[in-house]
Amino acid sequence: GDSVTQMEGPVTLSEEAFLTINCTYTATGYPSLFWYVQYPGEGLQLLLKATKADDKGSNKGFEATYRKETTSFHLEKGSVQVSDSAVYFCALRSPGGGADGLTFGKGTHLIIQP
Amino acid sequence: DTGVSQDPRHKITKRGQNVTFRCDPISEHNRLYWYRQTLGQGPEFLTYFQNEAQLEKSRLLSDRFSAERPKGSFSTLEIQRTEQGDSAMYLCASSLLVPAGENSYNEQFFGPGTRLTVL
Repeated sequence: GDSVTQMEGPVTLSEEAFLTINCTYTATGYPSLFWYVQYPGEGLQLLLKATKADDKGSNKGFEATYRKETTSFHLEKGSVQVSDSAVYFCALRSPGGGADGLTFGKGTHLIIQP
Repeated sequence: DTGVSQDPRHKITKRGQNVTFRCDPISEHNRLYWYRQTLGQGPEFLTYFQNEAQLEKSRLLSDRFSAERPKGSFSTLEIQRTEQGDSAMYLCASSLLVPAGENSYNEQFFGPGTRLTVL
């Protein structure tokens, strides 16, 4: 079945550091890929998405590129802020067939220190 | 607030009891989803509805679990004869599916969840 593997946390960085959170997936066909974020005390929010190979999703300074050849969707940000501290989830949706449930990774807790 | 709401936010019950959770989706959203999230894990998909029709059920949805969306608006998730392993956060999400081409995405908006503790 489908699965998502992302790097385990917590990941602790200093403010203005470069961020990479790795995400790889296993799926049949060409899934859509997502990053969700959960800020402390809040619900899950969609951060960015990519629906086909080589697409780059971007939002709030975060970027991720859909790499079919490496089945990856790594999240990056050039300069993190304290306000980026949250749990980040990589997820996929399998294409077609009426399936619409998301498959999530375990989440990566990001801590940004001032 | 026009987001997804869930009730109750917290539920503590004893093993063997039945519990029911409610989810109110964003108005006009035609799809509604249930997920379960245990500590240290990502959400796991349980089931989803399009209007009142239940279109997909995960293998995780055992016979003790039942979900309904009778009028295509709010939904309920019932767990019968609860077990300690049912302790988790139960998340609801909704989306608006519109006809579109291949690879379109109907964004799922998540509620705050109901935390269930089974003693």
